[in-house]
Amino acid sequence: GQQVMQIPQYQHVQEGEDFTTYCNSSTTLSNIQWYKQRPGGHPVFLIQLVKSGEVKKQKRLTFQFGEAKKNSSLHITATQTTDVGTYFCAGPRRGSARQLTFGSGTQLTVLP
Amino acid sequence: EPEVTQTPSHQVTQMGQEVILRCVPISNHLYFYWYRQILGQKVEFLVSFYNNEISEKSEIFDDQFSVERPDGSNFTLKIRSTKLEDSAMYFCASSGPAGTYEQYFGPGTRLTVT
Repeated sequence: GQQVMQIPQYQHVQEGEDFTTYCNSSTTLSNIQWYKQRPGGHPVFLIQLVKSGEVKKQKRLTFQFGEAKKNSSLHITATQTTDVGTYFCAGPRRGSARQLTFGSGTQLTVLP
Repeated sequence: EPEVTQTPSHQVTQMGQEVILRCVPISNHLYFYWYRQILGQKVEFLVSFYNNEISEKSEIFDDQFSVERPDGSNFTLKIRSTKLEDSAMYFCASSGPAGTYEQYFGPGTRLTVT
């Protein structure tokens, strides 16, 4: 079945440092979505990427979708303590538009 | 801002009992979902629901589970004869019209089976 992996599993950074999480799918994805889950919270939609090679920015967050549409990355510039949480990528299962397969997640800790 | 709501926030039940988890999706959304997240693990898709019927379901969603939209606002997940391994956080989510795919999650119901 479809596998969506993320690395690293955990990342500790000093406030102000940059952070990157990488997402890799075993199959080509029609689109990829990113969600953030704060400790004790629920997943919150961040962004969707659809096109091969697409890059989108949201303030300090930069999202990229690979040329082969099998990988993606999220980069945070100058992390803040409010960035703490687990970042998940999610892609639709092959042949499905809405059955999302979530990645394993990267848990980000920002040290003040 | 509209949001998905879920009740109860925490449900404790004994093994073998039936539970019903309730959700109120965002009012103009058309697609509804249930996910579960075992503590410390990733979010897993259970089922999607559209136009008053199940549109997709995962291997996890076996005969023990059922979903229903009993009225115009509620969306429920029923788990018959709960097992210890059903202990998890259950999230309801909804998404909007055709062509929009971002899913909005509720705060979740923590189910503890003893």
